[in-house]
Amino acid sequence: SQTIHQWPATLVQPVGSPLSLECTVEGTSNPNLYWYRQAAGRGLQLLFYSVGIGQISSEVPQNLSASRPQDRQFILSSKKLLLSDSGFYLCAWSVGIDSKEQFFGPGTRLTVL
Amino acid sequence: TQLLEQSPQFLSIQEGENLTVYCNSSSVFSSLQWYRQEPGEGPVLLVTVVTGGEVKKLKRLTFQFGDARKDSSLHITAAQPGDTGLYLCAGVWGDKIIFGKGTRLHILP
Repeated sequence: SQTIHQWPATLVQPVGSPLSLECTVEGTSNPNLYWYRQAAGRGLQLLFYSVGIGQISSEVPQNLSASRPQDRQFILSSKKLLLSDSGFYLCAWSVGIDSKEQFFGPGTRLTVL
Repeated sequence: TQLLEQSPQFLSIQEGENLTVYCNSSSVFSSLQWYRQEPGEGPVLLVTVVTGGEVKKLKRLTFQFGDARKDSSLHITAAQPGDTGLYLCAGVWGDKIIFGKGTRLHILP
C-alpha cells in the first residue's frame, strides 16, 4: 500500500532563516507530487506540483522553491523565511494523467517568529 | 478565476441530527471530490463524483453532484461525534484542482 511521509511535523524558525521540508512517497512509481499551504480562513493553496524528476511547476510567485531530486521525493525550500510563510504545509500525491485525487501527508506546522 | 464556495463555514449540531453542507461554483467541473480533515492532519479523500446528477453513498454520508456539474452537496444522516472535522470540496477543471475553504463541522455528544 502507498504511504506518504513528511518531516518535520512541527517547526519554529526565525524570520530570515532558511527552510527545508521533505516529503517522500512509498509504494507507487512516478507519482504526481504537490505542495500546498493551508492558512486559517484561506483554504488550501497549491504552491508547486511536479509530474516527474526535475519537473516543477509553480502556481504562486513567492520566496519558496521546490525540487524533486528523486522520483518519490519532493522538497520545499526557502532561503529566507518571512512571517507570512507561517502555516500548515501539506504534501500530496496522485497517479495517472487524468486523476486528480489527492492523497495527503500528515503535514508540517511552520511558525515563523 | 474559478472559485468554490462552501457553506456554511461553521456548523455545530447535536448528535443524531441530519445536516447538509454545500459546495457551489459558477464554473463547470469535470469531477468533484470531497475530503475530511481532522485537526493537525492532512485531508482524507472521501469520494469523487464525475457525472452530473450522480449520487454516491458512504455509510451515513450521501454525496450529490449537480446536474450541471457546478455544485455538490454532502448530506449526513444521524450525525455522530466521529463526523466532526473540516469538510473540503475540490473541483477539477482542466489540469487544475481547486479547493474550497471548507465547512467546519462539530457534532455535540
